[in-house]
Amino acid sequence: DTEVTQTPKHLVMGMTNKKSLKCEQHMGHRAMYWYKQKAKKPPELMFVYSYEKLSINESVPSRFSPECPNSSLLNLHLHALQPEDSALYLCASSQGTSGGRAKNIQYFGAGTRLSVL
Amino acid sequence: DAKTTQPNSMESNEEEPVHLPCNHSTISGTDYIHWYRQLPSQGPEYVIHGLTSNVNNRMASLAIAEDRKSSTLILHRATLRDAAVYYCILRDAGAGSYQLTFGKGTKLSVIP
Repeated sequence: DTEVTQTPKHLVMGMTNKKSLKCEQHMGHRAMYWYKQKAKKPPELMFVYSYEKLSINESVPSRFSPECPNSSLLNLHLHALQPEDSALYLCASSQGTSGGRAKNIQYFGAGTRLSVL
Repeated sequence: DAKTTQPNSMESNEEEPVHLPCNHSTISGTDYIHWYRQLPSQGPEYVIHGLTSNVNNRMASLAIAEDRKSSTLILHRATLRDAAVYYCILRDAGAGSYQLTFGKGTKLSVIP
C-alpha cells in the first residue's frame, strides 16, 4: 500500500474560520511534508516533519500551523486565512530523506483544494 | 540549489515514444536526477531517478548525458494516461536533503 490519504478533498472557509487538513499514511514512513500549489504553478514546500519533529518551516505565515501527532498522521491547522491562501494543499511522505536512495522517494496524496472567501 | 530547465509543453501521438528533455548545467557531483509527474487533479507521483548511468523501470527510462548536464525521460509508448506535467528535479544525495524543489515542468499532451 503506497497510499497517502488527505481529507477533506475540498474545503471552503471564511477568513475568520478555523479548520484543519488531515493527512494519513500507513507505510511506516518517518518523514512527512506539506506543499502548497497555486493554480498552474509547481508545488512549493511548506513544512517537513522528520521523526515527528518539525525539521523545516519554509517561512510560512503563522496562520498555518502544522502538527504531527504520531508517525502516521500529519495535520495542518488553518486560522484567519486570506483569499490568496486559496490553493491545493498536498501532503507527502517518504521513508527517509536522503535524495539518492530509492526508498526515500516521496509519495503524495491527491490534495485538499482550499478556497478562502 | 541547482536549477533545471525544461520546455513548457510537448505533444505526442498515442502509442509513439516520447522524449522529454531536461537541462541541468549546474548539477553537482552529489545531485541525483529525479522525475515526477502530476496528472490532472492529482498529486505528483514518482517516475524514476538516477545518478550517472541510464535507468529503466516499468514506467519509463532515464537517459543521462555523459557530462550529466542534461537528461531525457523516455516514455516508450505514450498513452492518454501519460498526459501530465513532468518535473525534472535535482536532489542531493545527503541525508536531510528533504526538498523536492519543483521547477515549472513540461506539460505533455497525448493526441489520440
